[in-house]
Amino acid sequence: DGGITQSPKYLFRKEGQNVTLSCEQNLNHDAMYWYRQDPGQGLRLIYYSQIVNDFQKGDIAEGYSVSREKKESFPLTVTSAQKNPTAFYLCASSIAGQADYEQYFGPGTRLTVT
Amino acid sequence: AQSVTQLDSQVPVFEEAPVELRCNYSSSVSVYLFWYVQYPNQGLQLLLKYLSGSTLVKGINGFEAEFNKSQTSFHLRKPSVHISDTAEYFCAVSDRDTGGFKTIFGAGTRLFVKA
Repeated sequence: DGGITQSPKYLFRKEGQNVTLSCEQNLNHDAMYWYRQDPGQGLRLIYYSQIVNDFQKGDIAEGYSVSREKKESFPLTVTSAQKNPTAFYLCASSIAGQADYEQYFGPGTRLTVT
Repeated sequence: AQSVTQLDSQVPVFEEAPVELRCNYSSSVSVYLFWYVQYPNQGLQLLLKYLSGSTLVKGINGFEAEFNKSQTSFHLRKPSVHISDTAEYFCAVSDRDTGGFKTIFGAGTRLFVKA
């Protein structure tokens, strides 16, 4: 079955450590996205990529970094510079970056930093 | 800038009763509208979308939504809910001129279906 996988489902880290969240898709989609979800705030865009080797900052990119070396993979690194990293992180993809294409979401990674 | 307001943060309803989840967006010339559902600890999945044409859109699981341009609304409805509809529902808007990476999501409405 085609879809998006995110791993791990739960992740625990100590403050000051960088951590990388995995996102893989086998939908052959060009566009990929990372969102952060906090209670009562909906989804906020961290980074997006419309094509391999290209990515752009979203609304809350500070303290995060990404890479897009392969079409199917879009890992997110939460760095120690992110002041409040504890959240639910969602990866998504769409056929392309146009506005009329719906996004397909992975199951999410819940990150807890103490 | 585009914005989306989901007017109710929580909606409790009894099983087999009808439900309406409200969504308003800020005005724009050309918008595309989406409703997504999120079950606990899972990602979002598409319920339905409005791109153009008929203002009444039917989606999965018996849900439908009506696009009202004059009121800038896109309310989600279901005539008879089931326990399994308990989830969080997100309204989303994208603007044809700015692309999918500018999709704006509402804060979500948590639907509780009681027996």
